[in-house]
Order: sequence, then structure tokens, then C-alpha cells
Amino acid sequence: DIQMTQSPSSLSASVGDRVIITCRASQNINNYLAWFQQKPGKAPKSLISAASSLQSGVPSKFSGSGSGTDFTLTISSLQPEDFATYYCQQYKDYPLTFGGGTKVEIK
Amino acid sequence: EVQLVESGGGLVQPGGSLRLSCAASGFAFSDHYMDWVRQAPGKGLEWVGRSRNKANSYTTQYAASMKGRFTVSRDVSENSLYLQMNSLRTEDTAVYFCARAQLRYFDGLSHYSMDVWGKGTTVTVSS
Repeated sequence: DIQMTQSPSSLSASVGDRVIITCRASQNINNYLAWFQQKPGKAPKSLISAASSLQSGVPSKFSGSGSGTDFTLTISSLQPEDFATYYCQQYKDYPLTFGGGTKVEIK
Repeated sequence: EVQLVESGGGLVQPGGSLRLSCAASGFAFSDHYMDWVRQAPGKGLEWVGRSRNKANSYTTQYAASMKGRFTVSRDVSENSLYLQMNSLRTEDTAVYFCARAQLRYFDGLSHYSMDVWGKGTTVTVSS
């Protein structure tokens, strides 16, 4: 199975900060990577697929980059509605696997 | 509006069975891959299984820990996805989400990534 490792597991940031979350795959997944946002008690929301392609309706403050084994999700200017847990997920091979999540909290 | 609504969760004893449903609306159900994903209390997301689309004969794929116990199926006449869960264990306690996997092409290659999620249904396995 492909292991997905996110770092950090949590971070504290202020409104307006630029936030970067990293995700590393245990083997080459090309760009078969998605990012999701989840708020407490809610379903995940799709942000990005193919490592860098924003889903329809997702604001441009979110961006993704990377290929192969190393990926990043960047939030350019953190807003109150962005405080949530973020997950990466590889869909190159079965079983599909998620990273452990990064919880973004208010400083 | 594209919508997924799960139902069928509840309390079941260890060793028991449960069937979850996911009602799909607002899109061509037979054209899409569909996934089940679960989340144990306080934990991260875990993929459970997939039903491919009509073009791929609705074939299925499972996570290793669910294979043989869980079965993903669909009724296209009802626009519904199902998850039959047998031999349930306490560690199967979770919120179960269904999700649509969208097909997009990048550099000529097909990408099936989850784009729409239901709100989930809660399964509790306990004596």
C-alpha cells in the first residue's frame, strides 16, 4: 500500500497568514493526488485534484503543487472559514489512501 | 443540484450485519465511479471500497481489511449505491460517507478523484 504522510499534524496560525501543508507519498504517484478540507461534524470538501487543479468553486487562495512523492497545499491568506482539518489522498493505486490530516487552528 | 444522501446507519452488535444506502441525484449515476469512505470517532479518513461505472461493468475494489466482509453494489434504476457490511467488528464503528469520483483528464490521462460527498451515516458496533 502507498503510505501518505502529512506534516505538520497540526499548526496554529493567524488570520492573514500564509499556510503550507506538506504531503509525502511512500512511492511515486505522479500527480494522482487530491486535497480535501473537513470541518468538525461535516463531510469532507474537495479542494484540488491532479495535485494542482482547483475544483470548481474553490477560491484561488488555495493552491497545490508537486509531483512524484512530494506535494504541498498552500493557503495564501488564511481566513476564519479556513480553520479546519486538511487531508491529502493518493488515487494512483488501490487501496486509495489518505494522509493522517493536518489540523489548522487559530493562534 | 448534485446530491448524495446516506442512510441505514445504526447500532448493531458485533458479528451482525447492516446495509447502508446512498441515494444519488442530479447527475448521471451510471457514468460515475462511486466510493465509500469512513471515519472512526476522532480519527482520519479511510477508504472502504469503490464501484466503477457502467463503462467498466460496475466492477468493485476494496480495502484489504474490508474485503470479504463488505460488498459495494448499486441499483441504477434507483440511483442508489449500497454497502453491505457483514461480520461487523467494534473497530468498524465510524461515520460512513459515500462520494462521487469525478473523471477529469490531465495530459491525456484519466483521473478519478472524489468531488462530491454525502453528509454521512453513523454506524456503531457495540454489545
